[in-house]
Amino acid sequence: EVKLVEYGGGLVQPGASLRLSCEASGFTFSDFYMEWIRQAPGKGLEWIASSRNKANDYSTVYSASVKDRFTISRDTYKRILYLQMNTLKPEDTAIYYCVSERRHWGQGVMVTVSS
Amino acid sequence: DVVMTQTPVSLSVSLGGQVSISCRSSQSLVHNNGNTYLSWYLQKPGQSPQLLIYKVSNRFSGISDRFSGSGSGTDFTLKISRVEPDDLGVYYCGQGTQYPLTFGSGTKLEIK
Repeated sequence: EVKLVEYGGGLVQPGASLRLSCEASGFTFSDFYMEWIRQAPGKGLEWIASSRNKANDYSTVYSASVKDRFTISRDTYKRILYLQMNTLKPEDTAIYYCVSERRHWGQGVMVTVSS
Repeated sequence: DVVMTQTPVSLSVSLGGQVSISCRSSQSLVHNNGNTYLSWYLQKPGQSPQLLIYKVSNRFSGISDRFSGSGSGTDFTLKISRVEPDDLGVYYCGQGTQYPLTFGSGTKLEIK
């Protein structure tokens, strides 16, 4: 059974940094594309970052809204996907979902950016 | 960026009825490899989205055959037959053909 468990969210001030983690199990982590997708309160879904699989050298892609501020990475030994978020803005407030191959979704973790 | 336009924004259906949701993309979703990466998701109240349909018409593991997807190019449809109480929530279409990945704005299904 594929399982994705996110953690690391919380309340931070504008300009702060935060790192989200997603523990993956039930599948071959290195074989799968992994994504972070977020959902602002009461809003729709917004893709923000992808980490391609090992066959594609774990290359990364970012949305324009987070490029140069967020970094997606993975520790294949620990089977953890990360999202390092820097220079956070109030508009980054959202539930952040870890997603594998655009198929399996974690339960999400809330990030609130507010002073 | 590929813009995904979903209609209607909301709809109400009686139990046992049938509904259709439309999703149109601003560009063809046919990938260079010949696949069309159009998916449908359901987000039930208070839950994460779940995949229903991938590559236009393929039901994901464990998904009832009451859900069916169709379409090609830029026009796609999700049909739900014999609607059950557990079907309520917000339905999203999403494209994975090109980055940035994009989603429709959602269709809220309510049960009469």
